[in-house]
Amino acid sequence: DVKVTQSSRYLVKRTGEKVFLECVQDMDHENMFWYRQDPGLGLRLIYFSYDVKMKEKGDIPEGYSVSREKKERFSLILESASTNQTSMYLCASSFAGPSTDTQYFGPGTRLTVL
Amino acid sequence: DAKTTQPNSMESNEEEPVHLPCNHSTISGTDYIHWYRQLPSQGPEYVIHGLTSNVNNRMASLAIAEDRKSSTLILHRATLRDAAVYYCILRDSFQAGTALIFGKGTTLSVSS
Repeated sequence: DVKVTQSSRYLVKRTGEKVFLECVQDMDHENMFWYRQDPGLGLRLIYFSYDVKMKEKGDIPEGYSVSREKKERFSLILESASTNQTSMYLCASSFAGPSTDTQYFGPGTRLTVL
Repeated sequence: DAKTTQPNSMESNEEEPVHLPCNHSTISGTDYIHWYRQLPSQGPEYVIHGLTSNVNNRMASLAIAEDRKSSTLILHRATLRDAAVYYCILRDSFQAGTALIFGKGTTLSVSS
């Protein structure tokens, strides 16, 4: 089975702190994604990466950056956490190519910024 | 993007079959029908997908209407662990590698 793991299930940080969220997948997937999920707003894409060191902005990249130094690992960085970044963060991965469009999600990190 | 319409909620009893409908009257010929589900406090989970023919896997079955304007996700014997929000999504092949867009989905409740 595909496994996508995220470094923390729950995280509490203070305003202004730098926050690192790590995601690791074990299926050699080319694509990796970071989403946030908020009640009433659904899933929103923050960033995605289609290869090592490659990244593309999603719909809401402001206040976030990402790093992909190895194929299996995709990190989301909150440069200076703010209360409006309190949310559920979801990492996903998938193979490249039109016939393999299934995304596999991690369990999520519920981040609270105080 | 072609839209999907699902009932807001459905209820089932444990060990009974559940049929979750999805309407997609504007589906294009190259749209795949995907189903995901999200259990409480968990990330979304892929369930099944298909293009034209009915599909079965260990989790569920997908029945696709002949005109492809609707589909039904079938859970053969619901368990309490199947209580989740179920999302029906259309994906064209060129959308691979792009963000998934979930609608409101159907909240399935399962009673013992």
